[in-house]
Amino acid sequence: ETGVTQTPRHLVMGMTNKKSLKCEQHLGHNAMYWYKQSAKKPLELMFVYNFKEQTENNSVPSRFSPECPNSSHLFLHLHTLQPEDSALYLCASSQGSKSNEQYFGPGTRLTVT
Amino acid sequence: SQQGEEDPQALSIQEGENATMNCSYKTSINNLQWYRQNSGRGLVHLILIRSNEREKHSGRLRVTLDTSKKSSSLLITASRAADTASYFCATDAGGNNRLAFGKGNQVVVIP
Repeated sequence: ETGVTQTPRHLVMGMTNKKSLKCEQHLGHNAMYWYKQSAKKPLELMFVYNFKEQTENNSVPSRFSPECPNSSHLFLHLHTLQPEDSALYLCASSQGSKSNEQYFGPGTRLTVT
Repeated sequence: SQQGEEDPQALSIQEGENATMNCSYKTSINNLQWYRQNSGRGLVHLILIRSNEREKHSGRLRVTLDTSKKSSSLLITASRAADTASYFCATDAGGNNRLAFGKGNQVVVIP
């Protein structure tokens, strides 16, 4: 798990707040991902970045805004969230070529009040 | 999009016993992967099996893949309390780094 770090680990925010989640990978990977994990639901892919370019936006609401300044860092900017956005947000990275295993960070537990 | 579906959803076993869980999927795949997640933590990659492989071992883990039935199984032998976790299968079909995860199996190993 230390190959991919996420901060903060826990976040409580109001619906009018603006906050950002940060992910950093130390594995030299080229692809990075944001996932949302809610109770009783499968892991939901939100965004995929390859070589800093966004290659997938899985119909995510615009209140979630990703940013990938380089291959090692990934952010998820949050604004005007809803209570149903409360979940565990997981970042992952992979080598980027076909069918590689993904390495996950520990996640940020987000609670929207 | 396809999605792995694990079965059974929850399993409680005694330490030392074997634990088996299954996963089914709907479309052709390049590979299938199994991950473990401890409570509230990130997922840890366990093993990857390619579509042209039928069985793979890693330590106490044994994975099988039956592409004709579109199913896979994960066997954990001689389980330990530390194996208590949720186990997810994930399928890779498009080669575009996109994995489809199942809902997960909760495994509890009682010391």
